[in-house]
Amino acid sequence: EIVLTQSPATLSLSPGERATLSCRASQSVSRYLAWYQQKPGQAPRLLIYDTSNRATGIPARFSGSGSGTDFTLTISGLEPEDFAVYHCQQRSAWPITFGQGARLEIK
Amino acid sequence: EVQLLESGGGLVQPGGSLRLSCAASGFTFSGFAMSWVRQAPGKGLEWVSSISGTGGNTYYADSVKGRFTFSRDNSENTLYLQMNSLRAEDTAVYYCARSYYGSGTYNPLDYWGQGTLVTVSS
Repeated sequence: EIVLTQSPATLSLSPGERATLSCRASQSVSRYLAWYQQKPGQAPRLLIYDTSNRATGIPARFSGSGSGTDFTLTISGLEPEDFAVYHCQQRSAWPITFGQGARLEIK
Repeated sequence: EVQLLESGGGLVQPGGSLRLSCAASGFTFSGFAMSWVRQAPGKGLEWVSSISGTGGNTYYADSVKGRFTFSRDNSENTLYLQMNSLRAEDTAVYYCARSYYGSGTYNPLDYWGQGTLVTVSS
């Protein structure tokens, strides 16, 4: 199975700063990588699909890039509501796999 | 408005069975593949199973294969996850979720239910 490794595990930043989260795949997933945001007690929310496409209603400050095995989620100008856990997911091959999650916390 | 509402979670003993349901509304149910994803307490997300729009194709994680059965009733807009031979490691919040792309592509997942907690313990 394809293992996704997210880094850093925790990122501490202040509102207004830029966040960069990484997701590395154990083998190529082409561009079939998605990002989800999850807040405590809530279900995940789709942010980015197929590397760089924002889901409906997702603000432009969220962007995704990468291909193959290395992917990045960038949040430009952090808002207070952006502090959450972020998960990457690949759909290139069965079984579908998620990264272990990365926590974005307020500094 | 798309809505997914899971039910059926609860406390069950190891080796026991449980059936989860997910009632869907607000979209053409048969036109979308659906999935179950679970999250153990304090842990990350784990994909469990996916089903095509017609129900003719199903996929399972190795950790549940042979024990869980994913089905759907398109006349009732409802998903079912039959879970047998439950183990302590199956303890998690179980989410049902809809495929963004529709029937033939199973991920990513654009709408999620609120989740139902399954606890396997004696």
